[in-house]
Amino acid sequence: GNSVTQMEGPVTLSEEAFLTINCTYTATGYPSLFWYVQYPGEGLQLLLKATKADDKGSNKGFEATYRKETTSFHLEKGSVQVSDSAVYFCALREVNTGKLIFGQGTTLQVKP
Amino acid sequence: EADIYQTPRYLVIGTGKKITLECSQTMGHDKMYWYQQDPGMELHLIHYSYGVNSTEKGDLSSESTVSRIRTEHFPLTLESARPSHTSQYLCASSDLSGSYNEQFFGPGTRLTVL
Repeated sequence: GNSVTQMEGPVTLSEEAFLTINCTYTATGYPSLFWYVQYPGEGLQLLLKATKADDKGSNKGFEATYRKETTSFHLEKGSVQVSDSAVYFCALREVNTGKLIFGQGTTLQVKP
Repeated sequence: EADIYQTPRYLVIGTGKKITLECSQTMGHDKMYWYQQDPGMELHLIHYSYGVNSTEKGDLSSESTVSRIRTEHFPLTLESARPSHTSQYLCASSDLSGSYNEQFFGPGTRLTVL
């Protein structure tokens, strides 16, 4: 079946450090890919998305590129801020059902 | 900003009680979903609906039930709450016609069953 695997957290960085959160997927067909962010005490918010191979999604300084050859969608940011501290979820949208399949989430802690 | 609401935000209740978690959206979305989020943060789909009078079981078996009598409303009911039901419950909705099918999430209900 379809699945998403993220790097385990927590990831702890100092402010202005470079961020990478790895995400790989297994899927039938060519699903759309998403990164969602969950701030403490809140629901999930869509951070960025990509619908086909080589698409790059970007938002708020974050970006991720849909890599079909490596079945990956790694999240990157050049300079993190304390306000980026949250849980990040990678997800794919199943081609046949339209359902979202989420990774297990990665907690990011950014220290001043 | 997503217009999807969940009440209550927090609920502490005793074993055996019947509870209903409310979810409403004002975006006119056809699809709605319920997820259970465990303490390790992983999300599991427990119910979804494609529209009025449509309800389906999700990937994770759940003792809860749902109904969809109106487009904007998708309540989740537990007939007899147990400590194993303690979790965070997230509601979401999406537009059937959207190419990305982005799901918009509510703030969640944190349920504790004593």
